[in-house]
Amino acid sequence: DIVLTQSPATLSLSPGERATLSCRASQSVSTYLAWYQQKPGQAPRLLIYDASNRATGIPARFSGSGSGTDFTLTISSLEPEDFAVYYCQQRNNWPPLTFGGGTKVEIK
Amino acid sequence: QVQLVESGGGVVQPGGSLRLSCAASGFSLSSYGMHWVRQAPGKGLEWVAYIRYDGGNKDYADSVKGRFTISRDNSKNTLYLEMNSLRAEDTAVYYCAKAAGAAGNNYFDYWGQGTLVTVSS
Repeated sequence: DIVLTQSPATLSLSPGERATLSCRASQSVSTYLAWYQQKPGQAPRLLIYDASNRATGIPARFSGSGSGTDFTLTISSLEPEDFAVYYCQQRNNWPPLTFGGGTKVEIK
Repeated sequence: QVQLVESGGGVVQPGGSLRLSCAASGFSLSSYGMHWVRQAPGKGLEWVAYIRYDGGNKDYADSVKGRFTISRDNSKNTLYLEMNSLRAEDTAVYYCAKAAGAAGNNYFDYWGQGTLVTVSS
């Protein structure tokens, strides 16, 4: 199974700051990686797919990059609604489809 | 608009059974693969099961293989998850999720609101 390791576990930032989240795969997933945002009590929402493509309706401040084993989700300037937990997910080698453990972006 | 509505969760004793349903609307269910994903309280996301658009192929996480069965009735626009021999570690919110696109594109672009399954004596 492909293991996805997200870092840091928690990111404490202020609104307006830049957030950089990392996802590392235990083996290459090519560019078959997605990012999701989850707020408390809500279902996850797809943000980025195939490493760098924004899903429908996702603001341009969210961007993804990377290939192979190292991936980054960047939020260029944090809005109050961006404070949430973010998960990466791979579809290159499955079953199983696997998720990272999550990064919580909290208000500093 | 796309809507997925789960039902069937509840409290069940260890070893018991439960059947979850997911009613789909706003898109043609028969054109898309569908998944179940779960989240234990305070924990991360875990993929559970997948079924191809026509029901012809199914896959399961090792943790549920042999105990859970995914199925679909495209004529009723409904996805199911039959859960048997339930264990305490199956306690979670269960989400149904739509595969994002063509066959093989197994990201999840729409999710239901989730239904809570609690396995406890």
